[in-house]
Amino acid sequence: GAVVSQHPSWVICKSGTSVKIECRSLDFQATTMFWYRQFPKQSLMLMATSNEGSKATYEQGVEKDKFLINHASLTLSTLTVTSAHPEDSSFYICSARRGRGIDEQYFGPGTRLTVT
Amino acid sequence: AQTVTQSQPEMSVQEAETVTLSCTYDTSESDYYLFWYKQPPSRQMILVIRQEAYKQQNATENRFSVNFQKAAKSFSLKISDSQLGDAAMYFCAYRSAGTGKLIFGQGTTLQVKP
Repeated sequence: GAVVSQHPSWVICKSGTSVKIECRSLDFQATTMFWYRQFPKQSLMLMATSNEGSKATYEQGVEKDKFLINHASLTLSTLTVTSAHPEDSSFYICSARRGRGIDEQYFGPGTRLTVT
Repeated sequence: AQTVTQSQPEMSVQEAETVTLSCTYDTSESDYYLFWYKQPPSRQMILVIRQEAYKQQNATENRFSVNFQKAAKSFSLKISDSQLGDAAMYFCAYRSAGTGKLIFGQGTTLQVKP
């Protein structure tokens, strides 16, 4: 099956610093990758959509200067939380889409970010 | 804009019994897909079942089946012969055929009692 990895799985950083989260499709090329944010016991909220080699498309209300997304290759997308603050603490999940149509999205295991 | 609504924050079922989780959605699109995802305590999202909007036949995957009512914009999930491992948070999701973006409902936490 298709596997998506995320690294790190858990990160703690100090307020004001930046942290980078990687999302990799291990055994397929992803045409599109998505980044979600999930607060405890809540739903997944789509933050942005990224296509390889082009700028990410951010959802309304998501600060693109704060959440930098780079999709450098067909197997790697990164999310950088810049100047992190405690309110950025959350669970971040990426997903990768292999094709079109009914082809499903494959989810990474998520990254827990804690900003102190 | 599309929306997905799950009106049951929590549900409980006895092991081996059947439970139905509700989901309604709103869209003006004609081409879309619907999904049910399971999120166990590990928080790894697992696809349970999917349905193409153009198909009238309800999707079935072993103990999981859906009741897709397109006119009513309803997409409920039935779990038969519930098992302890079914305990998780379940999310209904809508995906536009055009954008590919997934829109999730609020989720339903399912408890399975032994």
